Amino acid sequence: AQTVTQSQPEMSVQEAETVTLSCTYDTSENNYYLFWYKQPPSRQMILVIRQEAYKQQNATENRFSVNFQKAAKSFSLKISDSQLGDTAMYFCAFVPAGGFKTIFGAGTRLFVKA
Amino acid sequence: DAGVTQSPTHLIKTRGQQVTLRCSPKSGHDTVSWYQQALGQGPQFIFQYYEEEERQRGNFPDRFSGHQFPNYSSELNVNALLLGDSALYLCASSLAQTSGYNEQFFGPGTRLTVL
Repeated sequence: AQTVTQSQPEMSVQEAETVTLSCTYDTSENNYYLFWYKQPPSRQMILVIRQEAYKQQNATENRFSVNFQKAAKSFSLKISDSQLGDTAMYFCAFVPAGGFKTIFGAGTRLFVKA
Repeated sequence: DAGVTQSPTHLIKTRGQQVTLRCSPKSGHDTVSWYQQALGQGPQFIFQYYEEEERQRGNFPDRFSGHQFPNYSSELNVNALLLGDSALYLCASSLAQTSGYNEQFFGPGTRLTVL
């Protein structure tokens, strides 16, 4: 079975500092996609960043970057220069290549403090 | 350009009742997926519809059924409601992938409370 595990239920960070959210996954697939989604309080879930498993280079989107370790099945999210608007639930997610079902982790609640 | 819309926003039902939730996909999208998000949990995949057919289903009982219309909008029906069906129900739309992966866009959700 394919699973996604986020071991940090809650984290906090000071504004302007850097924080890293952890995610591990389990799959026997060789090709797949990994995602980080952000769900702000009472607002819609949006995609933050995605990584194709066949790409060795880590994905980067402005202040957001990932550390993708395929052999270790690890996919962490680094948020640099944290902003108050980054306060949200963050979900790690997985989709096998050619698949239709997105598997989500339980989420990490991030608080950015002023 | 309207994003994914869902109705109603909130709904309260009692055990044993039936409920229908609705979703309109983002303009240009033809694929709709439904997720159940219990409080404090990650979304769980219910099923995906494409070309008016259920393409894949998650681990949900037959009480959960759906439909997709020719205009790509979709409904989620839940029969014989249980207290455990209380959750945020999310709809996500995308363009059917021919290769690679196409981004899903999520709606705001319908909060269902079963008493």
